[in-house]
Amino acid sequence: FVLTQSPATLSLSPGERATLSCRASQSVNSYLAWYQQKPGQAPRLLIYDASNRATGIPARFSGSGSGTDFTLTISSLEPEDFAVYYCQHLTNWYTFGQGTRLEIK
Amino acid sequence: QVQVQQWGAGLLKPSETLSLTCAVHGGSLSVYYWSWIRQTPGKGLEFIGEINHSGSTNYNPSLRSRVTMSMDTSKNQLSLNLSSVTAADTAVYYCARKYRGYFFDYWGQGTLVTVSS
Repeated sequence: FVLTQSPATLSLSPGERATLSCRASQSVNSYLAWYQQKPGQAPRLLIYDASNRATGIPARFSGSGSGTDFTLTISSLEPEDFAVYYCQHLTNWYTFGQGTRLEIK
Repeated sequence: QVQVQQWGAGLLKPSETLSLTCAVHGGSLSVYYWSWIRQTPGKGLEFIGEINHSGSTNYNPSLRSRVTMSMDTSKNQLSLNLSSVTAADTAVYYCARKYRGYFFDYWGQGTLVTVSS
């Protein structure tokens, strides 16, 4: 079981819209989570069950998808959103994707 | 608000045993599974194993022969031991609470463990 994230790196400017993709090698229904990780910090849960925001997560973060194709959207990038993002599922001992690095253009 | 604090030795020699402890504040260890996850630049985020308040454990097969987890509910602490470490075990280690059976909602700050002779 593999989670493939794309692109590996995304270069955007503050205020722009970010769209990150996660594809599963087999269906995961809606059991997919997204995390944000900044340098020197632990991952932070953003989204669970594909589209539910975790407690305290701003509304500019949204998740969508089901089955094998999922998207994390950040509607208007704030400076603090530039980080690495991971998707994750239960199968094969809690597989994480390899990450998408969101960098400032 | 649940807070997770972790600590342990950061520099080990090959063949030694890695020992880390995680303390949970503002919440109970009961009800949930608590996990250990490690992160390396090469392999990314890797699930090591989990333990619940009854002492039931599940270990990743790739590490099972070397991993031991324990929990002290009176102290609200959990521990990880990884024996016979090699350079490949150099990583940042996290403890985290597993919620709703598959995702991790509270994380410790991470502990960098380096294995070097």
